[in-house]
Amino acid sequence: DQQVKQNSPSLSVQEGRISILNCDYTNSMFDYFLWYKKYPAEGPTFLISISSIKDKNEDGRFTVFLNKSAKHLSLHIVPSQPGDSAVYVCAAGSGTASKLTFGTGTRLQVTL
Amino acid sequence: GAGVSQSPRYKVAKRGQDVALRCDPISGHVSLFWYQQALGQGPEFLTYFQNEAQLDKSGLPSDRFFAERPEGSVSTLKIQPSEPRDSAVYFCASSLEGRGLTDTQYFGPGTRLTVL
Repeated sequence: DQQVKQNSPSLSVQEGRISILNCDYTNSMFDYFLWYKKYPAEGPTFLISISSIKDKNEDGRFTVFLNKSAKHLSLHIVPSQPGDSAVYVCAAGSGTASKLTFGTGTRLQVTL
Repeated sequence: GAGVSQSPRYKVAKRGQDVALRCDPISGHVSLFWYQQALGQGPEFLTYFQNEAQLDKSGLPSDRFFAERPEGSVSTLKIQPSEPRDSAVYFCASSLEGRGLTDTQYFGPGTRLTVL
């Protein structure tokens, strides 16, 4: 049973446009959500996070939105750059536990 | 500074062989995690240490999997004996204080294990 789902395996966006990556979760106990960026043959790198007490968190070109009622979060990248091409993995956890549950990732390709 | 390192980067084992995967966390990091990523899946939690104490091993798939961190720094994940279904990339991650999810987990490059 996948508790964190990323239903789009890939996304292609033109440079300068907005990239929107989506993630759904089923476990209502999750209260902290993260996005990681992953390149081939490397481990995931932390990008941005959001606590369930917020509905938005922004860091430069990256914004994460959380809709708790829909159990949905999204990552917006504006403007998209070719260097943003990577796999983006959504993760979630609960309470003070440190265990993360990951989605399967969405491969973003930013084209010129 | 140095990040999390893992060795070997690639390992091919025959069914029934014992396998040992090593993780060197970032110096001074209290918490250490192991994750398993099968092909086409996201990383799945295996186990978690705070210093030398193994606080959560709920994700270890069977008693063939064993992890240790005897001195609270380097960790070893052992699979004894290995089976083809254990083929995956094994990631190690460390975090500074282990005070929950707000403490960023830094991942190593992973060890790709293939069991024939």
